[in-house]
Amino acid sequence: GAGVSQSPSNKVTEKGKDVELRCDPISGHTALYWYRQSLGQGLEFLIYFQGNSAPDKSGLPSDRFSAERTGGSVSTLTIQRTQQEDSAVYLCASAGGSKEKLFFGSGTQLSVL
Amino acid sequence: GDSVTQMEGPVTLSEEAFLTINCTYTATGYPSLFWYVQYPGEGLQLLLKATKADDKGSNKGFEATYRKETTSFHLEKGSVQVSDSAVYFCARQGGSNYKLTFGKGTLLTVNP
Repeated sequence: GAGVSQSPSNKVTEKGKDVELRCDPISGHTALYWYRQSLGQGLEFLIYFQGNSAPDKSGLPSDRFSAERTGGSVSTLTIQRTQQEDSAVYLCASAGGSKEKLFFGSGTQLSVL
Repeated sequence: GDSVTQMEGPVTLSEEAFLTINCTYTATGYPSLFWYVQYPGEGLQLLLKATKADDKGSNKGFEATYRKETTSFHLEKGSVQVSDSAVYFCARQGGSNYKLTFGKGTLLTVNP
């Protein structure tokens, strides 16, 4: 596609519910990142997929967070039993052969009530 | 672990003023360094980069020089415009998996 696509753009959920956030990277990009952007916290790294290698999950804040990438393309970030502190903008980015230039999606604004 | 520290904002300047946003990074390995910008209502985009010591990245009148001796990558612009109002993020990339680590961002507001 033309760019990194994320859906939904906005998600409002109740505390304790599970949510799934989707990312469609640029076609052919082998690297895919998830970040979380909160007020005052900047961009927090969550997880990184690179080709067929094991993902770098070192940024996931708790075991309620998980992500998968199917077929080396689309990725889903799942947050189980959401808490109010999970409210943030979740950003996805992909990179191609250069790996240095990340292309970001517009993000999913998650609000946990 | 790898980290990036940048000056916290917000920074408010008048048009045509000189801009400096400080950024320092952890020196593990030989990281590449970046500045990303997020304009209001838009996604993050790469502003400039430098991949080795003493390199200078430049774009849209912004510059930053990779200083290994001070582990710094300060962003500068000689004369800011209202259209430069945005959030600026310093970032480092290193290690075998190319993970990009960002600073907390600096909000810049330029008044006419």
